[in-house]
Amino acid sequence: QKEVEQDPGPLSVPEGAIVSLNCTYSNSAFQYFMWYRQYSRKGPELLMYTYSSGNKEDGRFTAQVDKSSKYISLFIRDSQPSDSATYLCAMLYNNNDMRFGAGTRLTVKP
Amino acid sequence: DAGITQSPRHKVTETGTPVTLRCHQTENHRYMYWYRQDPGHGLRLIHYSYGVKDTDKGEVSDGYSVSRSKTEDFLLTLESATSSQTSVYFCAISRGGETQYFGPGTRLLVL
Repeated sequence: QKEVEQDPGPLSVPEGAIVSLNCTYSNSAFQYFMWYRQYSRKGPELLMYTYSSGNKEDGRFTAQVDKSSKYISLFIRDSQPSDSATYLCAMLYNNNDMRFGAGTRLTVKP
Repeated sequence: DAGITQSPRHKVTETGTPVTLRCHQTENHRYMYWYRQDPGHGLRLIHYSYGVKDTDKGEVSDGYSVSRSKTEDFLLTLESATSSQTSVYFCAISRGGETQYFGPGTRLLVL
């Protein structure tokens, strides 16, 4: 069993829809939780970074962490075609050991 | 890409040859990392550095070595490339370890 599980999709939604992306994890030692966005043939770009359980909002993006369930989510409101990318969850349990999900490919259709 | 460059951006090589990939940063960050990205596996840490001449192994370090002689440069060497090392390699940097910023990647094909 992988430490971090993420549904690879692909996920296709119409423009304006609310998108929900999720990851589960098995290692309770993870302390920091990140979401990265990766456009085709580009490097991952940091979107959201959270430390504790709860919600964190940044514009159209909301990151949610539930440590008791070992479950994290990323919500995208009013999705745009420019949001079409692969979204990677990532988790860190010390300064240098980060584990990634396999990524969910999202397409937002105009 | 957060002041990070990688070279070369693309490389084709033959099995058994040595290959060196370079990561260069202009941010003066302490930590530098090498990852590989493969379908179905996401990103996996190969090696990382926490200072000049200070390096340590990651999750998938077999067959790879690294060196860091200057703060701004982190080299990844495949001593004798194998087809299983065909991948996209990303360098990342971090000031304090929690948030990492990635370079544009190097696509390596080992024939």
